[in-house]
Amino acid sequence: AQSVTQPDIHITVSEGASLELRCNYSYGATPYLFWYVQSPGQGLQLLLKYFSGDTLVQGIKGFEAEFKRSQSSFNLRKPSVHWSDAAEYFCAVRGVGGYNKLIFGAGTRLAVHP
Amino acid sequence: DVKVTQSSRYLVKRTGEKVFLECVQDMDHENMFWYRQDPGLGLRLIYFSYDVKMKEKGDIPEGYSVSREKKERFSLILESASTNQTSMYLCASRSGGLDNSPLHFGNGTRLTVT
Repeated sequence: AQSVTQPDIHITVSEGASLELRCNYSYGATPYLFWYVQSPGQGLQLLLKYFSGDTLVQGIKGFEAEFKRSQSSFNLRKPSVHWSDAAEYFCAVRGVGGYNKLIFGAGTRLAVHP
Repeated sequence: DVKVTQSSRYLVKRTGEKVFLECVQDMDHENMFWYRQDPGLGLRLIYFSYDVKMKEKGDIPEGYSVSREKKERFSLILESASTNQTSMYLCASRSGGLDNSPLHFGNGTRLTVT
């Protein structure tokens, strides 16, 4: 069965520090992978997506993610975190049943210290 | 910009009541979705619709039904609300034209059933 694992429930970093949020997926075929961000009181906003081609994808707000097929991972990175990045981050994979079946991870809540 | 509007930000209902959650999108999207978001569980798909009057069950449809009488509007119905349906409900839409088009989310409705 398709699944997404985000091993870190909660992460705290200092402003200006680098960030990596982990995501591991289970999917038999070439996956479609997504990262979404949810700011407090808001819906989810797409940060970036991977479908094919270059395994390093750039997104909005200075985020990037790297697809590693051998590790079944799609980790999200940012070189220098800003206080406004404090939010919850969700990794998702398109599952069986086509594009309408997005499977989400449990989320990682990011706190940023000044 | 795509706008997905959920009519209520907060709702408090009593056990056994019939509850309607309304969602409207303004981008003529074919596909609309209802997710439930719970801490530690991420987002789980309740129902989705790929056309007017068409619907498909998601992963957790029990206790819910949906209605899509117009393309822009997708309603989630709790026939007889129970306390275990206390949750955050997120509506989303996406274009049906491209396989990789992203989901666009509303800001959510936090439902409390007492």
